[in-house]
This record gives sequence, C-alpha cells and structure tokens, in this order.
Amino acid sequence: GQNIDQPTEMTATEGAIVQINCTYQTSGFNGLFWYQQHAGEAPTFLSYNVLDGLEEKGRFSSFLSRSKGYSYLLLKELQMKDSASYLCAIMDSNYQLIWGAGTKLIIKP
Amino acid sequence: IAGITQAPTSQILAAGRRMTLRCTQDMRHNAMYWYRQDLGLGLRLIHYSNTAGTTGKGEVPDGYSVSRANTDDFPLTLASAVPSQTSVYFCASSDSGQGETNGYTFGSGTRLTVV
Repeated sequence: GQNIDQPTEMTATEGAIVQINCTYQTSGFNGLFWYQQHAGEAPTFLSYNVLDGLEEKGRFSSFLSRSKGYSYLLLKELQMKDSASYLCAIMDSNYQLIWGAGTKLIIKP
Repeated sequence: IAGITQAPTSQILAAGRRMTLRCTQDMRHNAMYWYRQDLGLGLRLIHYSNTAGTTGKGEVPDGYSVSRANTDDFPLTLASAVPSQTSVYFCASSDSGQGETNGYTFGSGTRLTVV
C-alpha cells in the first residue's frame, strides 16, 4: 500500500528552528515535494527532492533519504508568518502526487 | 495575472442538485488535476488530465465527472450532490504530465457545502 506519515501538529517559538519529518512507503518514487498551506488558502510549492541529500532555499531546507523512505523540512529563524500547514507529497511511479495529511505548525512569540 | 482561476469561491448546494465547478488556467500547462481536501485526510485526487482531450480517474472519482475540451479549462461536475461531497475542492496544473520539478500550481479553491 501507499502511506505517507507526518506529525499532525507542532509548536515552535519565533526565531527558533523546527524540523518537520515525513516518512513514506509508495509504489515507485519520482520525487518528494514540500508545500506550504496557510489556513483557507491554496498550497504553494516549497521544495522538490529526487536525489539523496539536502536542498537549501533561504530559511527553508529539505532533506531526502530514499533508502530510509524519509524526508524532513527544516525551517530556520522562524517568523510568525510561517504559521501554516506543511504538506509532504510523493510523486509515484505513475507521476501522480500522493499527499500526506499535513503538519500544522504553530509559531508562538 | 497568470495562474488558475476557480469559481465559485464557495457554494451551498441542496442534495440531489447538479453542480459544475469551474477551473481555468492561462499558463498553457498541459496537465490539470482536481483534488478534494478534508480535515485530517490530506489532498485526494478526484480526476486528472495529462493533456487536452484525455482524462483519467484518481483515488476518489465516484460521483464526479470531468472534461478537457481545450488546454485552459477543466470543469468538475457533480451529477447529483450528496452530503459526503462537502469539502474544499482545489484545481491544480503542471507543465508536464510526466514529472514536474517545479511543482503544481493551485487555484484558490471552492468551498462546497451539500445540505
């Protein structure tokens, strides 16, 4: 079967660092995506990993280990506007995106 | 402004009624998708289209139909709405149906309540 697991909710402090984990089991793998979704809005693309390792984009970094079926999204220097849900998605062997349920990140001052 | 437009933004619909959710993109993307998003379940694919003139079924297609007469438009029709179809519906597009490193672009969503 196909399964993507993320924590349901996390809380962090403004200015700190937070790591959101994603583990997966899917039929085939053509890349892993992270999206950000603010409440009541559409998801927006953050990152794409297809090879093992760390991809850095400003305050956000995404890591992938294909052998472990594991990824994380690292957010540094947290800002209040980073309060949102973070969605992990796998592109499977049919090039369809399979989505995790998302992690709601709450930032406290 | 380039992107995806969905209409209506929200709708309350009586059970048994027919409803079409509209989706139009101006990015000339060849692939388009319809998702529903329910609390705690994540995004689930209803139907997709890899190119104009073709469509396919996703994870939860029952009760829904789509058409793709041209590149820009991808309407989703509920033939006879039921309360379990209460959800937020997102249309998305990508510029390749065979893998997309730039991700999908999403519309702003349609919040549908079936009573």
